[in-house]
Amino acid sequence: GAGVSQSPSNKVTEKGKDVELRCDPISGHTALYWYRQSLGQGLEFLIYFQGNSAPDKSGLPSDRFSAERTGGSVSTLTIQRTQQEDSAVYLCASSSQGAYEQYFGPGTRLTVT
Amino acid sequence: SQKIEQNSEALNIQEGKTATLTCNYTNYSPAYLQWYRQDPGRGPVFLLLIRENEKEKRKERLKVTFDTTLKQSLFHITASQPADSATYLCALVAGGTSYGKLTFGQGTILTVHP
Repeated sequence: GAGVSQSPSNKVTEKGKDVELRCDPISGHTALYWYRQSLGQGLEFLIYFQGNSAPDKSGLPSDRFSAERTGGSVSTLTIQRTQQEDSAVYLCASSSQGAYEQYFGPGTRLTVT
Repeated sequence: SQKIEQNSEALNIQEGKTATLTCNYTNYSPAYLQWYRQDPGRGPVFLLLIRENEKEKRKERLKVTFDTTLKQSLFHITASQPADSATYLCALVAGGTSYGKLTFGQGTILTVHP
């Protein structure tokens, strides 16, 4: 079946602009995660959605970052007033109910100029 | 502070040999530990999971050990092949936290030479 998909695959934006990154999880997966991967920083947890529970937002680096998940499926990560340090690959992952392994999408490479 | 370290940034081995990658952690009490493979330009791919009460887990040519006393996991690839060349990431979930929240090591770049 289809895996996790993310769009766009690449995004170049000017400093100060807002961006939206989209994630389509595997159908039926109840948990969805966003991570950020920067050079020299490794993979960093951002936010976690599980079913209808309140999301775990503890990894969001600032209030310029927000995410929502509509209808328990598609998720959008929004970065407002982008800064150069936001440049990274943003990865989305999903997992099924009760499972621990996560299935990752290909990522969105964000470049802030 | 909590820390996960994969103590080799890069590992080069000859085809057919066993690759051994190390993951050490401090100030965690992990409920379980996972290993992922990541190829350039792609997202990580899940390989193996080992729980805190398990010593060893195997899958085909892969073996993972977990020593909660040493706070260390070892990841072995036996009879390595050039196709095994990739970055390998360990990740753990601290006990008592949301089980979705993985914390990753920096990764080890494995290169298997023919």
